Formats: sequence, structure tokens, C-alpha cells
Amino acid sequence: NAGVTQTPKFQVLKTGQSMTLQCAQDMNHEYMSWYRQDPGMGLRLIHYSVGAGITDQGEVPNGYNVSRSTTEDFPLRLLSAAPSQTSVYFCASSSMGGDNQPQHFGDGTRLSIL
Amino acid sequence: KNQVEQSPQSLIILEGKNCTLQCNYTVSPFSNLRWYKQDTGRGPVSLTIMTFSENTKSNGRYTATLDADTKQSSLHITASQLSDSASYICVVSLLRVTGRRALTFGSGTRLQVQP
Repeated sequence: NAGVTQTPKFQVLKTGQSMTLQCAQDMNHEYMSWYRQDPGMGLRLIHYSVGAGITDQGEVPNGYNVSRSTTEDFPLRLLSAAPSQTSVYFCASSSMGGDNQPQHFGDGTRLSIL
Repeated sequence: KNQVEQSPQSLIILEGKNCTLQCNYTVSPFSNLRWYKQDTGRGPVSLTIMTFSENTKSNGRYTATLDADTKQSSLHITASQLSDSASYICVVSLLRVTGRRALTFGSGTRLQVQP
């Protein structure tokens, strides 16, 4: 029972480099989202998707792109990495059936930008 | 501004003891309140979800309470175990019209259970 799988678990980038964080879920969930977690702060929503082909911005979208070509996958792209993007990134998925559906989180990607 | 405040920031207790974590929120209109457990190096895992009409919900040794009038919630852990050492995150959901789930996350309470 894989749930939500994120890769890589750790990554170090230089300023200006680009990369893609991968997220895959095997629960057939329509709703997927990306968060970042910084010390002393709550998780903040970067981008989300309510189904294949549909994405939208969260509260901190600048510097990130997403796409949703399949129900299973929701990659997050850093276009030109900046030190301010050093963080732990979490992908989550949930069913669209009502507001009370729990979110299932991956184990995160720890990203350092030098 | 929608906010979720958790207290204490950190807590150390002895194995076998009980503890209570607090969550105050200003989110409105309110849909539901969630508690998550996050082990070090792992993603958050859902413990409980309570709607406006529920004032208590249990999950094993975890019991969450909700007072929607005062906008306060608590998470009570009974007979703590070493495996309870984790961060506990309170999350409040705005009433959603369409699309985006508007979740406001607290910064968490870090609990350490010592033998």
C-alpha cells in the first residue's frame, strides 16, 4: 500500500538551477496539492489540482510550476532555484468527496539551495 | 486574517503520563478542524477530523475536543508512549465553495515522551 510517494527524498541545488520534484499516488484521488514546510511556520499551499488537466495557485506559488497530465502524478517544478526556496516540500492527495476527507501526505523532499 | 495558534510550542512528559495540547483559531467560516501527527522526517498523518457539530472525537489514546463557540480545540493523549514523540499539527478548514481546500495549518506542538 504505497499511498503518496515523493522523490527524491533529499536534494541540494545551486542558485539558478531548475529541478522537478515528483509526486505519485495510487489511491485514485482527484485532489492533489503541494505544500512547503519551513521552521516555526505551518504548512503553506503552493499549488493544487482538482483533477487531470486542472491546476491552480495556492498562497505561495511564485517560482514554482505544476502540471497534472494523469490522475496519479503531480510534479512540482522549480524554474530557477533561489535560497528562499530551501524548505521541506510535501505532496498530499485526497478524495474530492466532501470537505471532511483526510489528506494523505508523502514523506517529503528536503531541498537545500546554495 | 485566518490564523491557527497552537500551545505549547514544545512539551516534555514522562512515559505513561497524560497531556493536553491546545489550538485556538480565527478561521471563518469554519468547515472542520483536523489534528495530524508528524513523526520526525515523515509526512503528517491524520488523527481526527471534527465538523462544526462534533465536540469530541477519539482515535485510540487520542481524544480531540472542539468548542466552536470559543474557537478552541484540544488534543488529549492518554497514557503516553515513547512512540507518541512527534509534532502535532492543528489544521482548520474554511467552508469551501468550489475547488481549493482552504486549510490553515498551525505551526505544531513538538511533544517529547521520555522513559
